This record gives sequence, C-alpha cells and structure tokens, in this order.
Amino acid sequence: SQQGEEDPQALSIQEGENATMNCSYKTSINNLQWYRQNSGRGLVHLILIRSNEREKHSGRLRVTLDTSKKSSSLLITASRAADTASYFCATDAWDDKIIFGKGTRLHILP
Amino acid sequence: EAGVVQSPRYKIIEKKQPVAFWCNPISGHNTLYWYLQNLGQGPELLIRYENEEAVDDSQLPKDRFSAERLKGVDSTLKIQPAELGDSAVYLCASSSDTLTGELFFGEGSRLTVL
Repeated sequence: SQQGEEDPQALSIQEGENATMNCSYKTSINNLQWYRQNSGRGLVHLILIRSNEREKHSGRLRVTLDTSKKSSSLLITASRAADTASYFCATDAWDDKIIFGKGTRLHILP
Repeated sequence: EAGVVQSPRYKIIEKKQPVAFWCNPISGHNTLYWYLQNLGQGPELLIRYENEEAVDDSQLPKDRFSAERLKGVDSTLKIQPAELGDSAVYLCASSSDTLTGELFFGEGSRLTVL
C-alpha cells in the first residue's frame, strides 16, 4: 500500500530553472521525508520535516508541509543536470512504518 | 563507514526456482527494512525488524516469502518458489533512530524471473 502520492508523475525543465514537486497523503503523520533515487541505485535521504514544522531548507532544497491539507512540496532551486532522478516522499504515521509514494521523475534538460 | 551492503546485485532465475538476497546494514543500526520496488513505482514495505524481531511483516507474502535476521545484524530474504510477478528490485534499508526516521538504503538486488 502507498500513502503518499507525488505530482506530477514526470517533470522536464531546463537547467537553471526551479523544480517543484508535490506530495499528498491520507492519514496523520509524525514526519514526512523526501528521498532521491538515481537510475539503478538505492534511495538517498534528502530532508525530513516534522508535523509541527511548516518549512525547512537544506542547500538548494526547500520543503513545505501543510498538515491541514495533508500535502508537502519539494522545491529544487537553480536545477543542475545532476538533479535528474526520481524523487519520493515518505510518510511516518506514528507507527514507524515509513511508506513511500510513487515518485516524480525529474529530467533536467541541458 | 561502509553503507548498507546488498548481494547479489542482479539475479536471473527460472520460475519456480528459489532465490535469496542478503543484506548487511550499517553497523549499529538496529532497525532493518526490506522493500520491494517495481519499475516506475515507489518502494513497498515487505518487513521491518527491530534487532532480531520482525515487528511488521504484514505485507510479506508468507506463502512464498520468508526473512530472517538471526543475530540482529545481517538479514536474508528468500523467495521459494519464485513467480514471474516477483521480478522487481529488492531494497534493504537500515536506520539507527526511529525518531529521526532517516533510512539508509543499499543499492538493491534486481531479480528477473523467466
């Protein structure tokens, strides 16, 4: 079963532009995380935001969380070719069961 | 520090054959997860261990899948017999603190069942 659902499913942008991905989920959560997966590799943790936080920054990443709408967004600023990957949100619904969405496939065009 | 190690990276078998995947988590990580990832999809949890105890195996198809983590360190996931629909990537992850929730993933084991 998958709790989170990312939108859009795929996104292509020019290098240097900003990329925004959204995640919606169904039940109350303890925290929400974003992961990146390069083709054929494992997932890499990017950032975690807790249910009592609204916004968090890490380098070129900005994550927001709206618990009233059960949604989160990931913004990557000044995109680079190396940002081409799949991005997944993952929710922890207070039971330590971390459930992933289906992902957004991001392609950065040169 | 070594990351999560999985083997084999690739495995091709005939249907009805058995297969096993091995995972060695990061040293000191008490929590170990096995996920299944189909092409173009997100990881789906199969089983979660806290030390040697399987605390969540509700998504593990127990008729053909089994897992063990005997000494609370490395783990093995087995499928017997394999079916065509089992073709997927099997990901292992570990974490040290369920409060922070950050998972560290291995590179995965890609299974192809012919």
